[in-house]
Amino acid sequence: EAGVVQSPRYKIIEKKQPVAFWCNPISGHNTLYWYRQNLGQGPELLIRYENEEAVDDSQLPKDRFSAERLKGVDSTLKIQPAELGDSAVYLCASSLHPGELFFGEGSRLTVL
Amino acid sequence: QKEVEQDPGPLSVPEGAIVSLNCTYSNSAFQYFMWYRQYSRKGPELLMYTYSSGNKEDGRFTAQVDKSSKYISLFIRDSQPSDSATYLCAMSGEAAGNKLTFGGGTRVLVKP
Repeated sequence: EAGVVQSPRYKIIEKKQPVAFWCNPISGHNTLYWYRQNLGQGPELLIRYENEEAVDDSQLPKDRFSAERLKGVDSTLKIQPAELGDSAVYLCASSLHPGELFFGEGSRLTVL
Repeated sequence: QKEVEQDPGPLSVPEGAIVSLNCTYSNSAFQYFMWYRQYSRKGPELLMYTYSSGNKEDGRFTAQVDKSSKYISLFIRDSQPSDSATYLCAMSGEAAGNKLTFGGGTRVLVKP
């Protein structure tokens, strides 16, 4: 069974540029998460979807971050414009049961 | 103060030793307790999942939860160099909105 697939794995951009990350969850997993992980820290939730509905986006900086999950499957996370402090690993995860998350390998963003 | 506290390490042990990891937390609404393992440049993977207080054993891994003390532990017996990774505790609960909150992770190094 294929795991959670994320792309791109690495992205380097200049500040103020836009960037987008894509995630394909495990088939049948209704819940999808986007986390941000800074170096040496644990992942922090940005947004959680139940099917197409964003049920928890309280930690998403809505002035520059946006996310969508079309048809309740794939999801994209966008940052526009990017700031230096956005450099981090962006992790996508999916689950059938609360707490049992399956993570992708992450998208590592460097903002110069 | 963070909801979940975890010593960042690094924790260095010789091969074959017992690795002891722990987390403390402040939110009494947490009911589900997880341990994730994260190798360098990879996403976290679920190791252990426990509900409420008690012990759970899976091969060389034992997870303990003491809700009265708000303290959870993970023990790795007969540690191997392949156990070298960062170990993240995580917890959630229905009263906490089923939001998974991670500790900062403990880096473990098992030396041959």
